[in-house]
Formats: sequence, C-alpha cells, structure tokens
Amino acid sequence: GQQVQQSPASLVLQEGENAELQCNFSTSLNSMQWFYQRPGGSLVSLFYNPSGTKHSGRLTSTTVIKERRSSLHISSSQTTDSGTYLCALEPGYQNFYFGKGTSLTVIP
Amino acid sequence: GPKVLQIPSHQIIDMGQMVTLNCDPVSNHLYFYWYKQILGQQMEFLVNFYNGKVMEKSKLFKDQFSVERPDGSYFTLKIQPTALEDSAVYFCASSTSQNTLYFGAGTRLSVL
Repeated sequence: GQQVQQSPASLVLQEGENAELQCNFSTSLNSMQWFYQRPGGSLVSLFYNPSGTKHSGRLTSTTVIKERRSSLHISSSQTTDSGTYLCALEPGYQNFYFGKGTSLTVIP
Repeated sequence: GPKVLQIPSHQIIDMGQMVTLNCDPVSNHLYFYWYKQILGQQMEFLVNFYNGKVMEKSKLFKDQFSVERPDGSYFTLKIQPTALEDSAVYFCASSTSQNTLYFGAGTRLSVL
C-alpha cells in the first residue's frame, strides 16, 4: 500500500496567502525530506528533516516522528512558488519513498 | 550546491533496443539511486547502490534492468531490451551517509 500520503493533492492560492502542505506516513520513519519539483521536472531539495522544525526563508518544515507526519508551511506565497511539492520517507536505511505530491498554483 | 549530472537529457529509442542512461553523481557521495517518473505521475523508486552492489530494488526493477558504476565512472542504468512501458523520465540521485538526496535533472526516455 501507499506508505506516503500527501494532502491536499492540489492547491490554488492568491499571491501573498499562506499554504500548509501535509505528509503522513503509514510506517515509522528514519527520516524524511521535502522536495520542490519544477514544472520542467527537476527536483530541488527543500528540507532534510528527520524531526523537529526547520526554517528556510519563507518555508518552515515540521516533522513529528511519533505522529508519523510532516508539514511544509509556505508563507506569503509568490507566483514563483508554483510547482509540485513532494515529500519522501526514509523508513529504513538509505532508501526513500515518495508521495504523489501537492500541485501548488499561485495566481497574481 | 552539489550537482548530479545526467546524460543524455532526452533519448529516443525503438522498442527492443538497448539503452544506457548515464549519471555523474556528486563526487564524494557513496549511495546512488535511480527513480522512474511517468509524466504526471508519482516518483517511483527503482534501485539503490552502494559499494559496488545493489542494496535494494523495487518490483519495477525488472530483469531487463541493470546498474553498475565501473571504477568510479558514471553510474549507469541499462535497459535491455526496452519495452513501450519503459517510456518515462529517469532520475538519478546520490547521497552521503547523512541521507540528503541530491537529484539530477532527469533523462526523458521515449520508447517507440
């Protein structure tokens, strides 16, 4: 079955609004990672976040291991944030499984 | 930041032929991966590789697939023979033992 569930599947925001993306895991996690996939397909690592909260500019990632979930918060969204956000679970050692992603569209 | 290079960016091939996808991982990385993504669909794990050996592979890693990294050169994914359902974007990734994955830009494989 699906080990990684992402929600929502898609999201449309007005520029300046905030977004909260969720990732839930059906198995225990060793670590997890958030990625941004550009419309052209390439992936950019946003956070490697096995636990706790991490910040990077307008992005915040929070992983709660015992609840098997992670969230990605985007504040003051911009049109350039549009794309697909993927979370990946590492259940064991050195292997990552991806969710289906959240497709974000930010309109001006 | 660290870069993973994939060559070629696009490959068109006739069904039944062999294809080799090349990946130049980050220089000090020890773990290497291949993922497959059909257009608009989920990123699917194929295989990971460490110390010259396959560590784990998924059910998508068919018998027609093989990987190697001879003498620290390219990390390659070979498909022989190719099938129509192999058409997808193949992403290579690498990591150190600290686990952060770095991805290449992908090779778009079109099997006709």
